Amino acid sequence: DAGVIQSPRHEVTEMGQEVTLRCKPISGHNSLFWYRQTMMRGLELLIYFNNNVPIDDSGMPEDRFSAKMPNASFSTLKIQPSEPRDSAVYFCASSGVRDTQYFGPGTRLTVL
Amino acid sequence: GENVEQHPSTLSVQEGDSAVIKCTYSDSASNYFPWYKQELGKRPQLIIDIRSNVGEKKDQRIAVTLNKTAKHFSLHITETQPEDSAVYFCAANVGGDKLIFGTGTRLQVFP
Repeated sequence: DAGVIQSPRHEVTEMGQEVTLRCKPISGHNSLFWYRQTMMRGLELLIYFNNNVPIDDSGMPEDRFSAKMPNASFSTLKIQPSEPRDSAVYFCASSGVRDTQYFGPGTRLTVL
Repeated sequence: GENVEQHPSTLSVQEGDSAVIKCTYSDSASNYFPWYKQELGKRPQLIIDIRSNVGEKKDQRIAVTLNKTAKHFSLHITETQPEDSAVYFCAANVGGDKLIFGTGTRLQVFP
């Protein structure tokens, strides 16, 4: 099993640009989670999907952030426009029926 | 809202000693409590978990205990080794699939 796959692994962009992060969950998992990790705020849940449907997006910071899951094997997290304070490591995780969440390698985002 | 408190934030031990990390949670409906280990620059990785139908679970040098009445759970690492050095996160589930994470404990094991 390839595990959770995320791309890109590193992204450097300028303020105001659109950023799209991608995630492929583990095959057969029906829940997908997007997290943001910073030194100041720790590991924060942004949004999660169950069976491709957004269940809880209360962690999404503001309207500049949006997430989609068009099918069971793909999800995107988009930031438009990006700001320097969005710099963080963004993790995607997936889980099956037994709650255990498996994390992807993360995308390190730097907004200049 | 729901939260998970974790202590201590940093922990330094000598190789071979034991390390204990403690967490408390607020949602009495929580029934799943995983622990993750995160090495520098890497992803969080599950090391052990416990569900509310058991009070203790052990896997080699790692054990987790759960006190549902007090809403406490703890991670115990025995015979620590330098490769145990990492940040450890506890978590508790709320509303089914969602996990709330503690703020992390940076464990340093000195040779």
